[in-house]
Amino acid sequence: DAKTTQPTSMDCAEGRAANLPCNHSTISGNEYVYWYRQIHSQGPQYIIHGLKNNETNEMASLIITEDRKSSTLILPHATLRDTAVYYCIVRVANSPGRRALTFGSGTRLQVQP
Amino acid sequence: NAGVTQTPKFQVLKTGQSMTLQCAQDMNHEYMSWYRQDPGMGLRLIHYSVGAGITDQGEVPNGYNVSRSTTEDFPLRLLSAAPSQTSVYFCASSYSSLAGVYEQYFGPGTRLTVT
Repeated sequence: DAKTTQPTSMDCAEGRAANLPCNHSTISGNEYVYWYRQIHSQGPQYIIHGLKNNETNEMASLIITEDRKSSTLILPHATLRDTAVYYCIVRVANSPGRRALTFGSGTRLQVQP
Repeated sequence: NAGVTQTPKFQVLKTGQSMTLQCAQDMNHEYMSWYRQDPGMGLRLIHYSVGAGITDQGEVPNGYNVSRSTTEDFPLRLLSAAPSQTSVYFCASSYSSLAGVYEQYFGPGTRLTVT
């Protein structure tokens, strides 16, 4: 699985968009980009995933560059409850025995009131 | 659905003691896994299972055993607890879809302290 690089920490004002970058310059053609978050030592929570097209769901949007070497997770209107550690993970999706997720250190997002 | 449940929530062990961390899911997921998270660190995979009767090692398997006799349950056994096993343990499960993309569901964690 490709390695990812994320900033250690970021701040965002409540109500503003939070843009969390992730670099995955060694990504392969069959690897997906996943985002999870972990709020206050709870179990990680799935947010969104994508292959090459931009994706949006009720939680967030995922923007993947055309060369797929980087991506950005966007929380459109951050709230205090979005304060968490955000993990960007790149891995092959459909590979038996390899569904494990490799978690790095992630980005600690602090939403400020 | 209860999702992924873990028991106990907290546990204190003495060095050398053994215990089993329980994990159960009611979503009929074929894939289950155990992770540990040390303070200020990301999660590391201990063991995983792709179905009943099938288990395999992850990144940090030493000192832990698993078995998968049913789809629902995936217990993690600490054979002889050591202070280095003080950590938060998370169990996760996932399904498969036609697209082959797997969203993992995590339990609330078990906080283990070994003295």
